[in-house]
Parts: sequence; structure tokens; C-alpha cells
Amino acid sequence: QVQLLQSGGEVRKPGASVRVSCRVSGYSFHTYGINWVRQAPGQGLEWMGWISTSHGNTDYAQQFQGRVTMTTDPSTSTAYMELGSLRSDDTAVYFCARGGVATGFYFEYWGQGTLVTVSS
Amino acid sequence: DIQMTQSPSSLSASVGDRVTITCQASQDMRSYLNWFQQKPGKAPKLLIYDASKLETGVPSRFSGSRSGTEFTFTISDLQPEDIATYYCQQFDSLPITFGQGTRLEIK
Repeated sequence: QVQLLQSGGEVRKPGASVRVSCRVSGYSFHTYGINWVRQAPGQGLEWMGWISTSHGNTDYAQQFQGRVTMTTDPSTSTAYMELGSLRSDDTAVYFCARGGVATGFYFEYWGQGTLVTVSS
Repeated sequence: DIQMTQSPSSLSASVGDRVTITCQASQDMRSYLNWFQQKPGKAPKLLIYDASKLETGVPSRFSGSRSGTEFTFTISDLQPEDIATYYCQQFDSLPITFGQGTRLEIK
């Protein structure tokens, strides 16, 4: 069955960086893109961007440009999202979700979420 | 960017009621509109895709429709397990955007 398994929770100080991983199984990694969506405590869903697992091209939401980097390691079927220059308002649960331009951004499969806490 | 204005932000209804949530798109778009259900501490779950198509395994009491730039999500026979927050999401053009969410409670 399709699964997206994310790395565990992280605590960072303001100004630091964090990298979250998303390892997929149950399907061929390169056939679907990976998106990153975050949710601050008690708030709604915010799309951060996506990466094509077949070509490696990315598209980031404007508010994260310059701070976020999305990459993949096809050898381990893993996608990564690194967010830098962390601020307290980056405290959120970060989700990966399957979807892309070729297949549609249907987000029918999600990771379990990774809580990133930014605190001094 | 396509903005999705979702209403209401919260809703209280009784078991068996018909519940309707709407999302108004800020501009004309194709029917690339999903509806998700999210329960506390869980990832969102896809219920409706392409505005009106029922995801496999989702009960038929959930449905979606569109009229122009207004998209509607309906639960026809509210059940206790439907307590959740519901989101619309457009992917007609990047950036992908979500509605603000509707918190559904049972009276």
C-alpha cells in the first residue's frame, strides 16, 4: 500500500534551519511529485511548494522563496524539505503529500506530519 | 493567485442534517477543486476531487458541485463521525491555495 513516512519532530532556535524527510513506498517514486504543506497550531493549511521527482524541478510559494529548498534522493525514494532562517511563526506541522503537474495535485496520500518547533 | 473564500468558518448541526459549505474562487477556473476532511492530529483526507467526483471508499453522503466560480460541498445525512474541519483546495493554477477551513460540530 502507498505510504509516506516522515521524519520525527524537531526543535530549532530562531535563525537556524531544519530539514524534514518524506520516504515513500508502495509505488514508483518518480511517477508522482511531492508537495509540502504546513499547518501552524490551530490554523489552516498552507502550500509551500512541490518538487518533480522525475525531473527535480521545483515550484515554491512566493512567501517561502529564498528560504526553502526541496530535494529528492531517488535511491531511497525520499523527498526532503529544508527551511532556513527560522522564525517563531514557522512553528507548525509540516506534511508531505503526493501530487504533481502530470498526475494532478490530488493529494490523495499524505505523510503523518512532522512538528517543527522554533523557540529560543 | 486564485484566492478561495470558504464559508462558514464554523458550523453546528444535528445528526441527520444536511450540511453545506461553499468556496468562492476569486477568478474563473477549471474544476480542479478538491475537498478534504481533517480530524485533530491527523493529515487531511481527500473526499471529493475535480469538484464533484467521490474519492474511492468515501461514503456517498458526501458530494460536491459547482456553479460558476462557486463550489459547494454537501453532507446529506450528518453522522457523528463527520465531526472535523473541512477544506477546499484549488490546483487550477500554482500556487495551490486552500480555503480557510470550516469547523463542523455536532449539536
